[in-house]
Amino acid sequence: GQQVMQIPQYQHVQEGEDFTTYCNSSTTLSNIQWYKQRPGGHPVFLIQLVKSGEVKKQKRLTFQFGEAKKNSSLHITATQTTDVGTYFCANEKLTFGTGTRLTIIP
Amino acid sequence: EPEVTQTPSHQVTQMGQEVILRCVPISNHLYFYWYRQILGQKVEFLVSFYNNEISEKSEIFDDQFSVERPDGSNFTLKIRSTKLEDSAMYFCASSGRGRGSYEQYFGPGTRLTVT
Repeated sequence: GQQVMQIPQYQHVQEGEDFTTYCNSSTTLSNIQWYKQRPGGHPVFLIQLVKSGEVKKQKRLTFQFGEAKKNSSLHITATQTTDVGTYFCANEKLTFGTGTRLTIIP
Repeated sequence: EPEVTQTPSHQVTQMGQEVILRCVPISNHLYFYWYRQILGQKVEFLVSFYNNEISEKSEIFDDQFSVERPDGSNFTLKIRSTKLEDSAMYFCASSGRGRGSYEQYFGPGTRLTVT
């Protein structure tokens, strides 16, 4: 079946440092979605990317969809403690990635 | 802001018992979903529901599982004979458009513990 892998599995950063998580699919995607799940919380939709090479920004978050539409990334600039959580990507068949858990060292 | 609600927040049941998890999706949404998340693991798709029938289901969603929209507001997940490995957080979600094509709103989840 379709597989969606994310790296790294865990990331610990000092507050103020940047953070990036990468999502890779075994197949070409029609779209990709990103979600954030705070500890003890539920997934919250962040964004959907559709076009090859698309780049979208939400304040300190930058989302990118690869040219081949098989990978995507989420980059957070100058992390804050509110960014703590697990970031998941999901393909159009709602297969979620393995997630990257971000912890912030104040 | 509209939200998806789920009850109960925590359900403890004995192995072999039936459980029903309840969800109230956002009122004008047409697509409904169930997911599960075993502690510390990724979110796993179970089933999607549209127009009063299952539109897609995963391999996890076997004959022990069923879904129903008994009235205009509730959406339920039934597990007929629970197993220890069914212990997980179960999330309901809804969206205004079809699977994988629009943002989904997740409920707070029901933690199911099978003993």
